[in-house]
Amino acid sequence: ETGVTQTPRHLVMGMTNKKSLKCEQHLGHNAMYWYKQSAKKPLELMFVYNFKEQTENNSVPSRFSPECPNSSHLFLHLHTLQPEDSALYLCASSRQADSSGNTIYFGEGSWLTVV
Amino acid sequence: QKEVEQDPGPLSVPEGAIVSLNCTYSNSAFQYFMWYRQYSRKGPELLMYTYSSGNKEDGRFTAQVDKSSKYISLFIRDSQPSDSATYLCAMTFTSGTYKYIFGTGTRLKVLA
Repeated sequence: ETGVTQTPRHLVMGMTNKKSLKCEQHLGHNAMYWYKQSAKKPLELMFVYNFKEQTENNSVPSRFSPECPNSSHLFLHLHTLQPEDSALYLCASSRQADSSGNTIYFGEGSWLTVV
Repeated sequence: QKEVEQDPGPLSVPEGAIVSLNCTYSNSAFQYFMWYRQYSRKGPELLMYTYSSGNKEDGRFTAQVDKSSKYISLFIRDSQPSDSATYLCAMTFTSGTYKYIFGTGTRLKVLA
């Protein structure tokens, strides 16, 4: 149990579907992140929220839409995805996005398959 | 040239062996170095966090940083089948940033 919980753990969706990934952290952190992990590629940072404000969008296509209603919850809304978007999507949190001794804690990930 | 290079493996070793996992990097400005362990179909978990050069030990794990060679290592002593996982190195410039640069990971198999 990492303190960062992601649902669903597995998702299969068609290219015309709309779905959402959910993340909740129980660590009292103020920063939350979405990463994408594809086979044989390094982790790719997608979005960063610090105290509920988006501080980074790493050139992510608009078919991925994040939402952070509070410091404990983070969503990734998905629509009209492509097969190449199939990957493991990892949510993470840290004390705050820029602070001394910052350590990032990851959830278990949501496996997404786009068909 | 990639910023961080890591051999993808798989690396197979017998139980009890000493395992050496390595990353090389190109940017001499990196100051903080991390090792994450990722079991199959799970998220990465932080194993070791080190600053600058030198060694850090935690149980069976030792992290080593050689900044002059731009080379970091993770040693696992008395390896166990439960150590079978993918090990990701990560590094960054300052202590407070979230801008980690990750390696692609090395898959380790410890055979019973």
